[in-house]
Amino acid sequence: DAKTTQPNSMESNEEEPVHLPCNHSTISGTDYIHWYRQLPSQGPEYVIHGLTSNVNNRMASLAIAEDRKSSTLILHRATLRDAAVYYCILRGFGNEKLTFGTGTRLTIIP
Amino acid sequence: DTGVSQNPRHKITKRGQNVTFRCDPISEHNRLYWYRQTLGQGPEFLTYFQNEAQLEKSRLLSDRFSAERPKGSFSTLEIQRTEQGDSAMYLCASSLERGENTEAFFGQGTRLTVV
Repeated sequence: DAKTTQPNSMESNEEEPVHLPCNHSTISGTDYIHWYRQLPSQGPEYVIHGLTSNVNNRMASLAIAEDRKSSTLILHRATLRDAAVYYCILRGFGNEKLTFGTGTRLTIIP
Repeated sequence: DTGVSQNPRHKITKRGQNVTFRCDPISEHNRLYWYRQTLGQGPEFLTYFQNEAQLEKSRLLSDRFSAERPKGSFSTLEIQRTEQGDSAMYLCASSLERGENTEAFFGQGTRLTVV
């Protein structure tokens, strides 16, 4: 599986946007970029995924670089409930498993 | 449907004992996955089922581990002769095959402590 690199931790103020970066320089053409998050004492939760184009859903936006070697998860207005570990995962088409790294621990400051 | 359900939520066992965990996936989901997570690490893939067929097993799944999904619905994960290194959170997830990358829904996990 291609590897992703994320900062270990980030902090953001409540009600401000958050940009969580992910580098994946060895991404292949069929790899989808998935983001999951894990709140304290919970199982991981799907956030968003994309292939080439930027994606938006009710939780977040995903901005994918033109060369696909990096992506950014954008939380438009952070709340305390968004404090979690965020995982950026590459998943090849037909590859059923998710390969988690250590993710980015996001702390929201009230 | 309330999502993926795992039982028990917590299990404390003595080294050498056998334990079994249960996972009830979201009812229409045909894929079921088991992961293991230790403190400070992301979840690690153990195995997955499509319906009742176990299609992939990680090298992490030693001979002491066995998983079943007999009728393509709920699944069990058994650990025989538990060791202290088996202490971890065991997570189950399910998804519905739709011919492309689809989201997995995770349960809250079973936390195993081997003493």
